[in-house]
Amino acid sequence: DGGITQSPKYLFRKEGQNVTLSCEQNLNHDAMYWYRQDPGQGLRLIYYSQIVNDFQKGDIAEGYSVSREKKESFPLTVTSAQKNPTAFYLCASSRAGTIKGEQYFGPGTRLTVT
Amino acid sequence: EDQVTQSPEALRLQEGESSSLNCSYTVSGLRGLFWYRQDPGKGPEFLFTLYSAGEEKEKERLKATLTKKESFLHITAPKPEDSATYLCAVQAYQGGSEKLVFGKGTKLTVNP
Repeated sequence: DGGITQSPKYLFRKEGQNVTLSCEQNLNHDAMYWYRQDPGQGLRLIYYSQIVNDFQKGDIAEGYSVSREKKESFPLTVTSAQKNPTAFYLCASSRAGTIKGEQYFGPGTRLTVT
Repeated sequence: EDQVTQSPEALRLQEGESSSLNCSYTVSGLRGLFWYRQDPGKGPEFLFTLYSAGEEKEKERLKATLTKKESFLHITAPKPEDSATYLCAVQAYQGGSEKLVFGKGTKLTVNP
């Protein structure tokens, strides 16, 4: 079955630690995205990548970093510089081209930082 | 500033009671409007794409329509399994790049 996997589902970290969230897709999609979802807010774009070895900042990139070394993988690192890291993180992918609204989402990772 | 506003924030229906969800937008260079369904603790699931005013799409009990300023998601004779948060997103072309803006969603509860 084709799809997007994110791991882990729940993640707990202490303040000051960097943490990496995994995202893998086997849909053969070129574009991948990371969003953050907070209660009462719409999805906000953190980073996106349209091709391997290239990525762009979204609306709230500060305190986050990404890499895109393989087409299938787009890990997100939440650094200690992110002031409010506790949130639900969603990874998505879409077919080639510019930002596409028809995106396929993973199940999400809920990160709690204390 | 591009905006996408969904209303109501929450809606409770009885099973079989039809209703509509609204998504109004103020963007320039609209490329498309998208509806998603999101169950609690899960990622959104793509439902529909609408590209131009007058367009309609249907899937089971759901029908999405688009005008120049808003979209409606009509739910006919809903069932409890239709309970979810419905998200609207608008894709616009601005300043040489594409942008996707999500609304905050409408939480639908259908009681048996």
